[in-house]
Amino acid sequence: SAVISQKPSRDICQRGTSLTIQCQVDSQVTMMFWYRQQPGQSLTLIATANQGSEATYESGFVIDKFPISRPNLTFSTLTVSNMSPEDSSIYLCSIYRGDTGELFFGEGSRLTVL
Amino acid sequence: AQKVTQAQTEISVVEKEDVTLDCVYETRDTTYYLFWYKQPPSGELVFLIRRNSFDEQNEISGRYSWNFQKSTSSFNFTITASQVVDSAVYFCVLNSGGSNYKLTFGKGTLLTVNP
Repeated sequence: SAVISQKPSRDICQRGTSLTIQCQVDSQVTMMFWYRQQPGQSLTLIATANQGSEATYESGFVIDKFPISRPNLTFSTLTVSNMSPEDSSIYLCSIYRGDTGELFFGEGSRLTVL
Repeated sequence: AQKVTQAQTEISVVEKEDVTLDCVYETRDTTYYLFWYKQPPSGELVFLIRRNSFDEQNEISGRYSWNFQKSTSSFNFTITASQVVDSAVYFCVLNSGGSNYKLTFGKGTLLTVNP
């Protein structure tokens, strides 16, 4: 199975600040995905991050609020900018492993915005 | 558009009972994949099963079994002889639309197994 490491695992942030979440995968993957899980809710896809190109954002999510970097095939970052309490969520990165058809998720980064 | 409906928000059972979690999906694609994931209180997402739209065989894995019926667009999940460790939120997930592997999650069913 794939190993996906996310940092930080949790953080408490002040309103108006920005936080960058890192996702490191133990093997090279073409696509990485970032999801948000608001408290008590299901997961919602934020964007798809391909190496060497701009991330593709889903409806309701914009690059200014959630800038994403994908500098190589094993790493990605998601920044939550100008945070408000409504951004308090778990943010998860995910990859697809073609040989098993399995989608792996990181442990998640639990953000609380005060 | 893709949609996954898990009508059961919460289910509570007593240990050793059997429990079925319902999942109904919508998609216009002929090729798609369905998944079940478990999210225990610790928060990580645990992969349970993946089925493609061309394979309607039911599957059993230990105490877990899945019933896939394209005629009713359902992919139900049964836990036999439930245990306290089965307590978690269970998500039914749909992936369709080609190779972009974007997932559509159901809202999840919170299963509580009481001793």
